[in-house]
Amino acid sequence: ETGVTQSPTHLIKTRGQQVTLRCSSQSGHNTVSWYQQALGQGPQFIFQYYREEENGRGNFPPRFSGLQFPNYSSELNVNALELDDSALYLCASSFDTSTKEQFFGPGTRLTVL
Amino acid sequence: QKEVEQNSGPLSVPEGAIASLNCTYSDRGSQSFFWYRQYSGKSPELIMSIYSNGDKEDGRFTAQLNKASQYVSLLIRDSQPSDSATYLCAVNVNRDDKIIFGKGTRLHILP
Repeated sequence: ETGVTQSPTHLIKTRGQQVTLRCSSQSGHNTVSWYQQALGQGPQFIFQYYREEENGRGNFPPRFSGLQFPNYSSELNVNALELDDSALYLCASSFDTSTKEQFFGPGTRLTVL
Repeated sequence: QKEVEQNSGPLSVPEGAIASLNCTYSDRGSQSFFWYRQYSGKSPELIMSIYSNGDKEDGRFTAQLNKASQYVSLLIRDSQPSDSATYLCAVNVNRDDKIIFGKGTRLHILP
């Protein structure tokens, strides 16, 4: 059974640029959630995708957008990068939406200069 | 009021002792509760989930839930140095599938 994978591992961008982060869900999982984790903080919910549809969104501006593909992999896109977007971006996948158990990938460390 | 609150620590516990981690939450409709362990520089790892009042045991870990008091805790028995990590409490907010995390408690097991 393949776990959750994310790419790239690390990324350095400059203010104003755009970035796309990728996530492959664990085998058999149909739901992907994205989180932003700043240093010393808990993960902050960005949004969730269930069967290719957005299924909930946190308090993030519209420049954070996402996509889920038929194979349940997902992308997180961030436009007009700001310095405060520097963080660890985590993807978590789940199958059973009633139990809500989510399993995290290794994350992408984004640095905005 | 913050939705999920944890003491940030650090909590220092001697090796072999019981570590007790606490969490309170604000949404009375919350139904699902989780504890994640996060080592420095790594992603969170799910260690316990609990859905009903009472205790749930898994090896050296026991999760305790009290919905009336809006309180969930994690006990780690026979603490080992490898248990040193940040422990994140997470709660499902019942109105949607969003899961809210606390800031985490740093646990340090003293050899």
